[in-house]
Amino acid sequence: DTGVSQNPRHKITKRGQNVTFRCDPISEHNRLYWYRQTLGQGPEFLTYFQNEAQLEKSRLLSDRFSAERPKGSFSTLEIQRTEQGDSAMYLCASSLQGARYTEAFFGQGTRLTVV
Amino acid sequence: KQEVTQIPAALSVPEGENLVLNCSFTDSAIYNLQWFRQDPGKGLTSLLLIQSSQREQTSGRLNASLDKSSGRSTLYIAASQPGDSATYLCAATDSWGKLQFGAGTQVVVTP
Repeated sequence: DTGVSQNPRHKITKRGQNVTFRCDPISEHNRLYWYRQTLGQGPEFLTYFQNEAQLEKSRLLSDRFSAERPKGSFSTLEIQRTEQGDSAMYLCASSLQGARYTEAFFGQGTRLTVV
Repeated sequence: KQEVTQIPAALSVPEGENLVLNCSFTDSAIYNLQWFRQDPGKGLTSLLLIQSSQREQTSGRLNASLDKSSGRSTLYIAASQPGDSATYLCAATDSWGKLQFGAGTQVVVTP
């Protein structure tokens, strides 16, 4: 296993278009998290899953955002009707609940630019 | 609500000097404290994780301490190298594994 994988690495889209990002976590990890990071700031929590169940969504996650994790494996984050304010780095992380250390491992991120 | 602050926001040191990066958090009921490194345009690389019951963790030239009672963690990097130039982020973890990040300290090590 090579770690957390995110695709695409970069996405440029026109305002109003829909975009979808994919995250493949470390295979045995049952928790998966999405974060958003803007320039000069630390990542901010968006949502997380335990297996296939979405357990929490941040107030940052407007109704234009939806996330899924079918069968508790990979996850997708979709943004509908993108706005310029959605431009950011979207980061995915995974961890193993019940492990001695709940260490989070991150992917390389998807850089979204809305023009 | 947990708030995490990192001071300084930026730091420049000559090669060979030791680095001291500070992180403070407002809610001492943390599960873990994790330090990350981020290179420009890249994701986060985990450096050290300190459980709430621990006082410090060490990995090579890196040492991180944790004082829950005062809400502080410090990352020490010994004998800095130009390759240590990056942004360093600390994050407090709750029992659900959610991370609350600071804004980071941008480090430049000059040859």
